[in-house]
Amino acid sequence: AQRVTQPEKLLSVFKGAPVELKCNYSYSGSPELFWYVQYSRQRLQLLLRHISRESIKGFTADLNKGETSFHLKKPFAQEEDSAMYYCALKSGSRLTFGEGTQLTVNP
Amino acid sequence: DTEVTQTPKHLVMGMTNKKSLKCEQHMGHRAMYWYKQKAKKPPELMFVYSYEKLSINESVPSRFSPECPNSSLLNLHLHALQPEDSALYLCASSQDIAETQYFGPGTRLLVL
Repeated sequence: AQRVTQPEKLLSVFKGAPVELKCNYSYSGSPELFWYVQYSRQRLQLLLRHISRESIKGFTADLNKGETSFHLKKPFAQEEDSAMYYCALKSGSRLTFGEGTQLTVNP
Repeated sequence: DTEVTQTPKHLVMGMTNKKSLKCEQHMGHRAMYWYKQKAKKPPELMFVYSYEKLSINESVPSRFSPECPNSSLLNLHLHALQPEDSALYLCASSQDIAETQYFGPGTRLLVL
């Protein structure tokens, strides 16, 4: 069975500090991984997908198959990055989400 | 139109009521999904439609009845719900079931 683990429910950093949101997965096949973000009172939005290897809003994430991780990183956090972040694994049509990490960026 | 829309935004219903949630997309996507999201929890998959046919039902109670009348519309009919069914109901769509899913804003449902 597939599983996504986000070990930190809450993460608090200061503006300008680096931030890393951890995501580990277990899946027997070749994983397809995503990061979604949910700002307060807004819809769940796609942030990143591992296959596109792009950088959005300064965030990057690298798939590490050896460590079964897909951590989300940003070198300099901004206050507007405060939101709930969900790591998700896709298998066929099923999207399995982690429990989420609430990121707060303090001024 | 590049978004998934959902109506209503909020819904309050009694346990004996019948109501429906509506989801619409005009992106030509052929897969549509219903998710349930409780407060401070991740979305949980309920149903998947592919080319207007139900392909996945995640053992959802029969008091929830999905319907896909055409490729742009997805409904969720609600009947005899329980207070524990109160949640944010999210609709999503994708080009097909193998592609990235895009979410609507949700309908916040309160069952009294």
